[in-house]
Amino acid sequence: NAGVTQTPKFQVLKTGQSMTLQCAQDMNHNSMYWYRQDPGMGLRLIYYSASEGTTDKGEVPNGYNVSRLNKREFSLRLESAAPSQTSVYFCASSEFTQSYRYGYTFGSGTRLTVV
Amino acid sequence: AQSVTQLDSQVPVFEEAPVELRCNYSSSVSVYLFWYVQYPNQGLQLLLKYLSGSTLVKGINGFEAEFNKSQTSFHLRKPSVHISDTAEYFCAVSDQNSGSRLTFGEGTQLTVNP
Repeated sequence: NAGVTQTPKFQVLKTGQSMTLQCAQDMNHNSMYWYRQDPGMGLRLIYYSASEGTTDKGEVPNGYNVSRLNKREFSLRLESAAPSQTSVYFCASSEFTQSYRYGYTFGSGTRLTVV
Repeated sequence: AQSVTQLDSQVPVFEEAPVELRCNYSSSVSVYLFWYVQYPNQGLQLLLKYLSGSTLVKGINGFEAEFNKSQTSFHLRKPSVHISDTAEYFCAVSDQNSGSRLTFGEGTQLTVNP
């Protein structure tokens, strides 16, 4: 089925290790997003890419980097993982840059634990 | 900048009872409002959205929401819930100044008991 695919689904890292979370969508969407979800805090925007070739910081960008590899793929990198980055990470995409009219399609999430 | 507040973090109800999940927003311009549902260990799915027009919006699974501009609210309702409605529900807001970004509330955990 068409949608947003995230890999891996689960990951355990040691403090200081690095890793990249992968996200791909096959709906020809222009905009892609990375959120983190923590209990009682809802979803907070880390980075987003309004269109291919652009990336912008969201609400909580510190400790992360992103790459919009092409129109389909948007990766999130943790250079030196910290326990505070233990969270569930969601990738999302939307059809147009002004997605206020359309909302998002979400992936199923990556559960990351940093020990 | 827009913001959204979900007034209840947890709502327990019995099966077949009505339910209301409350959401208030703030924005200086016209808003667009969304409700998403997240079932355990899954991503978020769009329940319904308000863009303009009728203030009563109907969504999937029998849910509906009413946009109230004077109260700056967008409460979600269902007249009779099922066990399968147990999930976390998120209210979200955007406006023409936010570009492609949605701002989410903290979430409300709805638990339907037999």
